[in-house]
Amino acid sequence: AQTVTQSQPEMSVQEAETVTLSCTYDTSESDYYLFWYKQPPSRQMILVIRQEAYKQQNATENRFSVNFQKAAKSFSLKISDSQLGDAAMYFCAYRSAFGPGANNLFFGTGTRLTVIP
Amino acid sequence: DTGVSQDPRHKITKRGQNVTFRCDPISEHNRLYWYRQTLGQGPEFLTYFQNEAQLEKSRLLSDRFSAERPKGSFSTLEIQRTEQGDSAMYLCASSLERSGTWVFGPGTRLTVL
Repeated sequence: AQTVTQSQPEMSVQEAETVTLSCTYDTSESDYYLFWYKQPPSRQMILVIRQEAYKQQNATENRFSVNFQKAAKSFSLKISDSQLGDAAMYFCAYRSAFGPGANNLFFGTGTRLTVIP
Repeated sequence: DTGVSQDPRHKITKRGQNVTFRCDPISEHNRLYWYRQTLGQGPEFLTYFQNEAQLEKSRLLSDRFSAERPKGSFSTLEIQRTEQGDSAMYLCASSLERSGTWVFGPGTRLTVL
């Protein structure tokens, strides 16, 4: 089974600064999707950004961007100009592109981000 | 349609009791997923439906757990003879086809005393 590792249980960032959250994964597949989800306290999980493994270009969504290193199996999330509303638990997730694994999101253990005013 | 909803949001029960949770997906989404999230962990897959058919179940889904999606719309997850180890957040998500974006509900937090 695929595994997703988030080695930073907690991170903090000063408001308006930039922070990078790390994620590594283990897979033998060549086609897959990677995701970053945000789970604010007592609120539902929402998709922040998505990356298709076959795309070399790193995904970007406004202040959120990723650094996808396929050979290194690394998928980090960069949050620029951090805002108080960015405070949340962030989960990295993997999903196969084909086969049974395509029906399942494998999540890491999460990184709790604190934004300091 | 305002998204995926789950009911109840919180449930406290005594060990040995049965509980049932409901998930209402986004109306046009044909796929529905159940996940379990324990404290300090990421969500873990339990089961998924395509329309009314339950197509995959995790080994985490013991015999005490049953899920249904009778008309391909809302889904229920029942836990019989609850145990303290069942205490967790139960998340539901839906998507339109496999490659679509998964939308998560707010979850049902179960506490078994």
